[in-house]
Amino acid sequence: GESVGLHLPTLSVQEGDNSIINCAYSNSASDYFIWYKQESGKGPQFIIDIRSNMDKRQGQRVTVLLNKTVKHLSLQIAATQPGDSAVYFCAENIDGYNKLIFGAGTRLAVHP
Amino acid sequence: AAGVIQSPRHLIKEKRETATLKCYPIPRHDTVYWYQQGPGQDPQFLISFYEKMQSDKGSIPDRFSAQQFSDYHSELNMSSLELGDSALYFCASSSYGKGVSEPYEQYFGPGTRLTVT
Repeated sequence: GESVGLHLPTLSVQEGDNSIINCAYSNSASDYFIWYKQESGKGPQFIIDIRSNMDKRQGQRVTVLLNKTVKHLSLQIAATQPGDSAVYFCAENIDGYNKLIFGAGTRLAVHP
Repeated sequence: AAGVIQSPRHLIKEKRETATLKCYPIPRHDTVYWYQQGPGQDPQFLISFYEKMQSDKGSIPDRFSAQQFSDYHSELNMSSLELGDSALYFCASSSYGKGVSEPYEQYFGPGTRLTVT
């Protein structure tokens, strides 16, 4: 079935640099997207979300960009810190359905 | 702030045994979701409940069943356990019908790690 996928399985960055994690989705009916952060042994932690009627949304040190034309989603983390090291998942939701469809995850490794 | 509570946090069972996982959603949340996450994999949706009624169903085996109770907590019952059932099981909750927050903004619990030997 259709699913959300990620371009890069692992991303290594230097502390203080900006990080960009990408995600491609294939279901054009998806209208809500979420980025989750998952640390080892813990549940996914909500970071930021965006609806399909928006193309950009900003949070604290994070920005999500949505390009519906090419079905692409990205998470930008400014001034990446060691505490940002985790696996990041994008997830999509289709209006009318409860479930989230998760992508495969990208591991972000922040080096001092 | 109150979060989703799951119990137990760790569970070890043998093949063909049964297991029951419990989930207590965030107060005022009316919808619970169950996900299964295998090692190194993304969470896979199993089933969800809204106001005690099943609202959506994913790749949940017939050996599994779940329900939501009047206090909104949910239980996932797993029978005839197989080695392949070893995974992290997450419960998430949202306030789909109450307008407390974005209806599909799901908050995850810490998970139950099930090991089948």
